[in-house]
Formats: sequence, C-alpha cells, structure tokens
Amino acid sequence: AQSVTQLGSHVSVSEGALVLLRCNYSSSVPPYLFWYVQYPNQGLQLLLKYTTGATLVKGINGFEAEFKKSETSFHLTKPSAHMSDAAEYFCAVSRYGNNRLAFGKGNQVVVIP
Amino acid sequence: GAVVSQHPSRVICKSGTSVKIECRSLDFQATTMFWYRQFPKQSLMLMATSNEGSKATYEQGVEKDKFLINHASLTLSTLTVTSAHPEDSSFYICSASFRQTAYGYTFGSGTRLTVV
Repeated sequence: AQSVTQLGSHVSVSEGALVLLRCNYSSSVPPYLFWYVQYPNQGLQLLLKYTTGATLVKGINGFEAEFKKSETSFHLTKPSAHMSDAAEYFCAVSRYGNNRLAFGKGNQVVVIP
Repeated sequence: GAVVSQHPSRVICKSGTSVKIECRSLDFQATTMFWYRQFPKQSLMLMATSNEGSKATYEQGVEKDKFLINHASLTLSTLTVTSAHPEDSSFYICSASFRQTAYGYTFGSGTRLTVV
C-alpha cells in the first residue's frame, strides 16, 4: 500500500522567501505523485504531477517539485512566496493499476508580509 | 481542462432528514468517481469509490446504508447522506478520474454540510 508523509502541519514563510514543503512516500512500485492546493472551503486544485520521464516537474503558480527515487521524496518548492500562496497543500501518491489516491496530512502555509 | 461541478456548495439540514450531493464531470467521461470527507484542519478521508454502472466500494468504517452513492452515468455521481445527524456535519468532496491514474484526478469544489 502507498502512504505519504508530510512533516510540519504549519509552515510559515516570509513574503519573497523560498517555500519548501517536504513529501516522502512509500510505494512498492513506481508511483504517480501529485501536489494539490486547497483554499478555504474549496476543493483541491492540481499544482503539478509526476508520472514518468523528467524528474523535475514544473507546475502552476511558479511551483515545482523533484522526484528523487533514491530518497523516496517529492518535495515542493517555490523560489519566492507570494501572499496568495497562503493555503493548504497536500501531497498524494497513487500507482498504475490502483486508482486510489493516498494523501498526506497536509501543510498549512502562512505567508508573513 | 477537466472540470468537475459539485453542488450544492453549502447545505444546512435538520437532523433526521436526507441530503443529496451531486458531482458532475462537465467535459469528460469519468470512469471512476471518489467521495471524500474532510474534517476541519485535516486531510481527506476516502469514503468510497464508484465506477459507472457498478456498486460503490466503501472504505472500512464507512456505513454504506448511511452514505448512499449512485454512479448512474459516466458524468454523474451522487452522495446521499441519509437520516443525517450533527456528527455527519463535514466538508464532502468528490473527485473524478479518467482512465488511468496518470491522467490525474479532478476535484469538485466541495460541499459544506451542516446538520442542526
């Protein structure tokens, strides 16, 4: 079974500073990896995903993530935080042949002016 | 891109009544739809998975007689909370997938259910 670990439920970052959200997964087979963002009282919006190919994935709103198989990680970064980045972020994993998504516990990002 | 419409966005109902939440894929045929429940400040908990024309598969601990899921077509799935109680108050989110998981999942905007 797949599982996802996101450490640090709350992450504070200054406006203009680097945003780094860590995600580690466990999967017995090559995974599909996703990052989603959720704004209050809304559904989840896909930021980016890794399936196969290039391990550095670029997504929307300036975010990117790198799949590191040796570290079983898929950390999310953004070089410069913006106030609009304040939201909840979820890392998720699935695999081919099993269409269930396993979510991490999420990171609440707070951007400090 | 793929769009999933979920409504209502908010609903308040009295204890003992039933509430239906709809989830529609607007521009694609969703082979599988998922229903999640989200408690405040927590992650999403998968309640059930439904494939068009088949009975839903419920996760352990989810009462299938209380949370009725119907997936009658490739574009519509419904979740009915029957005989609602205050403890059913939560944020419910649907998600639809198309073919293989590599295509990803599209989420609805969620429904805030409050049972009074």
